[in-house]
Amino acid sequence: SQKIEQNSEALNIQEGKTATLTCNYTNYSPAYLQWYRQDPGRGPVFLLLIRENEKEKRKERLKVTFDTTLKQSLFHITASQPADSATYLCALDRGTGFQKLVFGTGTRLLVSP
Amino acid sequence: SQTIHQWPATLVQPVGSPLSLECTVEGTSNPNLYWYRQAAGRGLQLLFYSVGIGQISSEVPQNLSASRPQDRQFILSSKKLLLSDSGFYLCAWGKGDRETGELFFGEGSRLTVL
Repeated sequence: SQKIEQNSEALNIQEGKTATLTCNYTNYSPAYLQWYRQDPGRGPVFLLLIRENEKEKRKERLKVTFDTTLKQSLFHITASQPADSATYLCALDRGTGFQKLVFGTGTRLLVSP
Repeated sequence: SQTIHQWPATLVQPVGSPLSLECTVEGTSNPNLYWYRQAAGRGLQLLFYSVGIGQISSEVPQNLSASRPQDRQFILSSKKLLLSDSGFYLCAWGKGDRETGELFFGEGSRLTVL
């Protein structure tokens, strides 16, 4: 069956450290993978998109890697801040030729001062 | 700039009552429109999507229906709510461009069915 898996346990880190979140998928062949941030009671906000032919993408303190052999994406936040505390969702394109995203359950990140 | 509005933000409804959630998008034309549901502790589940007026595709069989009466309006409805319909409903729009591919979400509507 098709699955997208993110660590359901919250990730607690100290301010200034690098947070690394994992997204694994099975039985999908996505053309791209995306990461979103969701704050409690709010809609998700798009952060980064990485295509299947890209190994790495950066935006300010954010970095995403995409390994289609391992079927895994890693999402890094460097120099983390308490304001980075949120739930982070990965989403992938089903590869059906239409913009339909499938989302993981998300990982909650808590950054302590 | 583009904006997306969704309402109501919160509602509590008895089992068996009807439902209507509305979503409108401004600042773009011919968007792809989506309804997702997020149940507690679960990921976003795609319910419906639409590529144009009157064109609705359902992802999962359920007690809900969707309509797109205008280009930038998307409505989620039910004739009789079930307890299992409780959740956080999110409307989203996208450009349908696989090169960008991002979705823009509304603020959500939290539905509690009692």
